[in-house]
Amino acid sequence: DTAVSQTPKYLVTQMGNDKSIKCEQNLGHDTMYWYKQDSKKFLKIMFSYNNKELIINETVPNRFSPKSPDKAHLNLHINSLELGDSAVYFCASSQVLALSHYNEQFFGPGTRLTVL
Amino acid sequence: GENVEQHPSTLSVQEGDSAVIKCTYSDSASNYFPWYKQELGKGPQLIIDIRSNVGEKKDQRIAVTLNKTAKHFSLHITETQPEDSAVYFCAASNPMSAGNMLTFGGGTRLMVKP
Repeated sequence: DTAVSQTPKYLVTQMGNDKSIKCEQNLGHDTMYWYKQDSKKFLKIMFSYNNKELIINETVPNRFSPKSPDKAHLNLHINSLELGDSAVYFCASSQVLALSHYNEQFFGPGTRLTVL
Repeated sequence: GENVEQHPSTLSVQEGDSAVIKCTYSDSASNYFPWYKQELGKGPQLIIDIRSNVGEKKDQRIAVTLNKTAKHFSLHITETQPEDSAVYFCAASNPMSAGNMLTFGGGTRLMVKP
């Protein structure tokens, strides 16, 4: 069984288009994340949602809008795509029961976005 | 905020040799230090972690050490095998930070030559 799944795996699109990436986790976790991995493999947090509520937004352009319809899903919608948005996007989830809880995150397989 | 530095960025070893990857962190309140392995075309996978109440943890061929005073931690892989070839990431977490965020190091590309 896939724990954290993302669709699509590959996404090729033209500059200026709007696209969405979907993420689902079946681990029963209460917190989900989106990361961007650039060509140098650097992993950067974009957003974090806890129980459908936004708790981290790391200076991401407002062209990126996460949507969490329920605890098991965190989708990423990107408007007016730019060349610099090309990257691999990873969804992750964890169970953060309390502030002091250790944050074991489980990652999805990634979505490679290419903007032409 | 937390800053995690990881070295080396690339590491090439012969099969059977040991590999060591080192990370330093800046926030003395961080208390959780996971290591992730990312194989080509896949997402990062948690392979081992260490919490600030212990100095060392071992799981078969991999071990992690933590020096809280110096604020550094290391991953040790013994008897390396070609399937250990991947990108490895260290990370640190301060549970009191907003969202209990993980801060990742820049990654180490490990190549194990048969």
